[in-house]
Amino acid sequence: EVQLVQSGAEMKKPGESLKISCKGSGYSFTNYWIGWVRQMPGKGLEWMGIIYPGDSDTRYSPSFQGQVTISADKSISTAYLQWSSLKASDTAMFYCASAYSNYFHYWGQGTLVTVSS
Amino acid sequence: SYELTQPPSVSVSPGQAARITCSGDALPKQSAHWYQQKPGQAPVLVIYKDSERPSGIPERFSGSTSGTTVTLTISGVQAEDEADYYCQSADSSGTWVFGGGTKLTVL
Repeated sequence: EVQLVQSGAEMKKPGESLKISCKGSGYSFTNYWIGWVRQMPGKGLEWMGIIYPGDSDTRYSPSFQGQVTISADKSISTAYLQWSSLKASDTAMFYCASAYSNYFHYWGQGTLVTVSS
Repeated sequence: SYELTQPPSVSVSPGQAARITCSGDALPKQSAHWYQQKPGQAPVLVIYKDSERPSGIPERFSGSTSGTTVTLTISGVQAEDEADYYCQSADSSGTWVFGGGTKLTVL
């Protein structure tokens, strides 16, 4: 059974750094892209970017380029999304999802990030 | 930037057909996919490559395409189908994009 298990909810202050994770199991982690999707409170889905764990090829949405870093450690089948300096506007639910072709087939349960002073 | 346009809301009575559209200039060249999201849950893929249905998705979900518009049709809508639905595709540069989402209300 394919599973993507994300790290738990985070409460941070503006300016702090953060790295959230997404661990894949039940499939060949290195052979499928993994992407990240943002959902701000009460809003729609936004594609942030994707990474191919096999060679760490990474692509970002222009809206998120430079704002976040996507990475992966294939040795532990885990993808990451990180911020160097959080803002209140980063408050959102973040989903990871495994990509087959150009769509997301399996999704993680989501990680809620709250940024507040 | 590339955009996919969906109606904000669609309402339908139980047993009727619900049709949710998604428009985008690149859709004749790029396949579209649909996700269902219920409150407090992660999205679920219900249609991929315009009209393919993943295993486990009921047959009442179908997809079609015509020019710059793709359509998700739910035949014989049930109360459990009430959810937000998002289309997703990619532009010519490989950037993926979601539509704004459509809230399906079952009256």
